[in-house]
Amino acid sequence: KNQVEQSPQSLIILEGKNCTLQCNYTVSPFSNLRWYKQDTGRGPVSLTIMTFSENTKSNGRYTATLDADTKQSSLHITASQLSDSASYICVVSPASGGSYIPTFGRGTSLIVHP
Amino acid sequence: NAGVMQNPRHLVRRRGQEARLRCSPMKGHSHVYWYRQLPEEGLKFMVYLQKENIIDESGMPKERFSAEFPKEGPSILRIQQVVRGDSAAYFCASSPAPSNQPQHFGDGTRLSIL
Repeated sequence: KNQVEQSPQSLIILEGKNCTLQCNYTVSPFSNLRWYKQDTGRGPVSLTIMTFSENTKSNGRYTATLDADTKQSSLHITASQLSDSASYICVVSPASGGSYIPTFGRGTSLIVHP
Repeated sequence: NAGVMQNPRHLVRRRGQEARLRCSPMKGHSHVYWYRQLPEEGLKFMVYLQKENIIDESGMPKERFSAEFPKEGPSILRIQQVVRGDSAAYFCASSPAPSNQPQHFGDGTRLSIL
């Protein structure tokens, strides 16, 4: 069964600090891995997407890494801002032909305090 | 260029009633995906539709749930005879071409069953 596990479940940091969120998956083979940011009461917004051949992808203060051998990904946020408070979701999509069913992690809830 | 529009944003129904959730994809997008997010759970794929066709409904409960995407108008997710367990946030996403991980999500419909 395809699974995506995220850690920590929740995280509280001070404004300006860095943090790293983890994602472990069992989806194999997979075609791509995406990190989303979901603000409370809103839909997910894509931050980064990586194929199995990519190791890192940046989007401003967000940097995602991928180790396809260990099936792990991380999302690093630098110089956190209050607006970074949200749920961060890791999503992995299978490579099997014709499948349109991605597997979503439960997310990491990040709270940035002033 | 409006994004994916979902309405209503909040819907309250009593047990046994019907719930209709609407999703208008982004302009030029003909592929629609519905997901359900239960409290403290990750998003779960429900159904993938193109105009007038259901492509993959493997995530839909076998009873009471149906979806359509007519030639004209929004996609509709219909839940008949709702029960308390149907309370969740329902998200719609769209893409211009088949995608196992659509990028553009709506802000969801929060369904509450009394």
